[in-house]
Amino acid sequence: DGGITQSPKYLFRKEGQNVTLSCEQNLNHDAMYWYRQDPGQGLRLIYYSQIVNDFQKGDIAEGYSVSREKKESFPLTVTSAQKNPTAFYLCASSPRESGRIHEQYFGPGTRLTVT
Amino acid sequence: GQSLEQPSEVTAVEGAIVQINCTYQTSGFYGLSWYQQHDGGAPTFLSYNALDGLEETGRFSSFLSRSDSYGYLLLQELQMKDSASYFCAVLTDSNYQLIWGAGTKLIIKP
Repeated sequence: DGGITQSPKYLFRKEGQNVTLSCEQNLNHDAMYWYRQDPGQGLRLIYYSQIVNDFQKGDIAEGYSVSREKKESFPLTVTSAQKNPTAFYLCASSPRESGRIHEQYFGPGTRLTVT
Repeated sequence: GQSLEQPSEVTAVEGAIVQINCTYQTSGFYGLSWYQQHDGGAPTFLSYNALDGLEETGRFSSFLSRSDSYGYLLLQELQMKDSASYFCAVLTDSNYQLIWGAGTKLIIKP
């Protein structure tokens, strides 16, 4: 079955520690995205990548970093510089061909709690 | 700035019809998408309108008026499983990013 996997589902960290969230897709999609969702709010874009070895900052990139060394993988690191890291993190992918780029497929999410 | 407005909460009765509105103000516009998200889950794609008019997919329909910067999602024959949050999202010409509304929580009563 094709899809997107994120691990772990729940993650607990102490303040000051960096943490890396995993995202893998086997949909053969070129574009991948990381979003943050806070309670009762919409999705805010952290980073996105339209092709391997290339990525761009979204609206709230400060305190986060990503890499895109393989088409299937787009890990997100939440650094100690991120002031309010506790949130629900969603990874998504979409085909790049015109007419379908609006169709984003999401992983199950990682709920990160930092204390 | 860019913004999308949708009601925070809508309540309806099982079997009824409900409309969730979305108005947008963005610097570029390719189309309007709708996504459904159940509590604790991930958003799933429902529909996309690039042109004015109504698109129907089963019990769900979506409408767009580009001149009014307005769209809506229409859900018919409501079922309890339709209880979820519904997000509108605009596909902009800024590197094909989706700009998301804050979501509408749909509460369905028996």
